[in-house]
Amino acid sequence: DIQMTQSPSTLSASVGDRVTITCRASQNISSWLAWFQQKPGKAPKLLIYDVTNLESAVPSRFSGSGSGTEFTLTISSLQPDDFATYFCQQYNSYWTFGQGTKVEIK
Amino acid sequence: QVQLVQSGGEVKKPGASVKVSCKASGYTFNSYGVSWVRQAPGQGLEWMGWISGYTGKTNYTQKLQGRVTMTTDTSTSTAYMELRSLRSDDTAVYYCARHHDNSGYPFDYWGQGTLVTVSS
Repeated sequence: DIQMTQSPSTLSASVGDRVTITCRASQNISSWLAWFQQKPGKAPKLLIYDVTNLESAVPSRFSGSGSGTEFTLTISSLQPDDFATYFCQQYNSYWTFGQGTKVEIK
Repeated sequence: QVQLVQSGGEVKKPGASVKVSCKASGYTFNSYGVSWVRQAPGQGLEWMGWISGYTGKTNYTQKLQGRVTMTTDTSTSTAYMELRSLRSDDTAVYYCARHHDNSGYPFDYWGQGTLVTVSS
């Protein structure tokens, strides 16, 4: 099974900050990686797929990069609506999620 | 618009079974697969398995093999997930999620979640 490791687990930031979250795969997953945002009591929402592609209606301040085993999600200027938990997901071999990164208000 | 609407919360005793439904609308049901994902309180997301909307073929995570069954009713565009021999650590929110009818695609739409509580 492919394991996904996210870091950090928690991130404290302020509105306007640039935020980066990292996801590492236990083996090469090519570009089969997505990022999700989840708010309390809600289902996850797809933000980015195939490493770099923004889902429809997702703000352009979100971007993704990487390939192989190391990937990043960047929020260029954190907005109040962005405080949430973020998960990566590999879909190279079935599906596995990272353990999540909670972005909280500093 | 695409919607996945799940059945309501359940409270079960240890050893019992639970069956959660996920009714799809807004797309051609048998052109997509449905995965089931659970999230224990305060924890991350755990993929449980998936079912093809076209063939009905299933694939379950090894951890749940023998306790989980996923089915579909194409006449009502509904997917079902049954989990048997429930334990306290099965307490979680259970989600259904849509993806293209293969294993190489991300989940693009999710149900609202169903809380299953296992308690004596």
